[in-house]
Formats: sequence, C-alpha cells, structure tokens
Amino acid sequence: TQLLEQSPQFLSIQEGENLTVYCNSSSVFSSLQWYRQEPGEGPVLLVTVVTGGEVKKLKRLTFQFGDARKDSSLHITAAQPGDTGLYLCAGAEGGSYIPTFGRGTSLIVHP
Amino acid sequence: DAGVIQSPRHEVTEMGQEVTLRCKPISGHDYLFWYRQTMMRGLELLIYFNNNVPIDDSGMPEDRFSAKMPNASFSTLKIQPSEPRDSAVYFCASSSPGLYNEQFFGPGTRLTVL
Repeated sequence: TQLLEQSPQFLSIQEGENLTVYCNSSSVFSSLQWYRQEPGEGPVLLVTVVTGGEVKKLKRLTFQFGDARKDSSLHITAAQPGDTGLYLCAGAEGGSYIPTFGRGTSLIVHP
Repeated sequence: DAGVIQSPRHEVTEMGQEVTLRCKPISGHDYLFWYRQTMMRGLELLIYFNNNVPIDDSGMPEDRFSAKMPNASFSTLKIQPSEPRDSAVYFCASSSPGLYNEQFFGPGTRLTVL
C-alpha cells in the first residue's frame, strides 16, 4: 500500500512570509495532485503534475514534482490569510485511477 | 454545473439510530467516492463506484456501513446502527478518468452520534 507522508503537519506563520510543504513517498506516481481544504468545506483541486521534474505555478503557489515522481513540494510566496487551510497531496500509482491522500499540512496565516 | 451535492450538511443523531447520507455527483462523471475525515485518521476512502458498480469497499469499517448507487446521479451511504465513533465528516467525490481522476468533492456531511 502506497503511503504519502506530508510535512510539516502544522504550520503557523505571519502574513508575507514564504513557506514550503512537502509530500513524500517510496512509490512512483503516474500523477500527483494538490488540494486545499478550507474549514467547513470539501477539498478543492489546485493542480495536477504528471511529468518528473515538472514545475507549475498558480499565482503565488509553485508546485514541483520530483524527478523520480516519488515526491512533490508546494511553495507559497508572500503568504496571505486567504491561504489558510489544509493542503492535501494525492498520488495515483501506475495505471490506477484511485489516488491515495496524505494526511495534509494545516496552514494558518496570521494577518 | 452545480458541483457535487451532499445532504444533509449536518446530522445529529443518537447511538443506535440509522443514518443515511446522500450524494449527487457531477453529471458525466463515472467514478464516485465516499470518504470519511477525522482529525485522528485524516481522509479515509470508504468505497468507490465505477459506472454505478461498487469496485472496492475494503475501506468500509464494518458491516454497519453500506453504500448504494442505484443510478448515475445518486448514491447513499448508510450506517445502521450508528455509534459515537462514527462521528466524522463524510465526503462524496466524483471524477472522470480522462482528467487523471482529479476528484471533485462535495461540501461534506458533518455527522455527530451522541
């Protein structure tokens, strides 16, 4: 069973700071997704990465897929209170259509 | 599209009662997933359907849990009898494999069993 480890579990920072969260596994993924979940809501897809070494940017968010497609990172530049939420990564192995979710990183950005 | 619709949004019940959670997936999506989220365990996959057929229910905690998908636009998750340890947020999600199975989640049902 593939296992996705996310770190850190919790992160509390001030507005304007930069941060990076990580998603690691021993498994190789055909695709990996990042979701953000706000309190009281369901997770919402941010991005999908599929190619080793791929970098995608979404405004102040930068997502990177590791060369070996076993890990990924999410970097947020100049964090804002609106970035507060639970960040989940989810990876699908081989030809599986069923992704496995990590436990998430809970981010709080203080104004 | 309205997105994935779940009802009710909140449910408070007493131990031993039957609970039924409902989900309407996004039209055209042929996968439907039921998840449970708790602080202790995170997001757990309970069961998923493909074209209305249950494919993997290995995540269903025990026989008290059952799920059905009578047609492409409706699914239910039933707990009978409910227990306090079933208290959690239950999410339904749908997807289409052509999009790398990117999942679209409903707003969830917060279940409290007293």
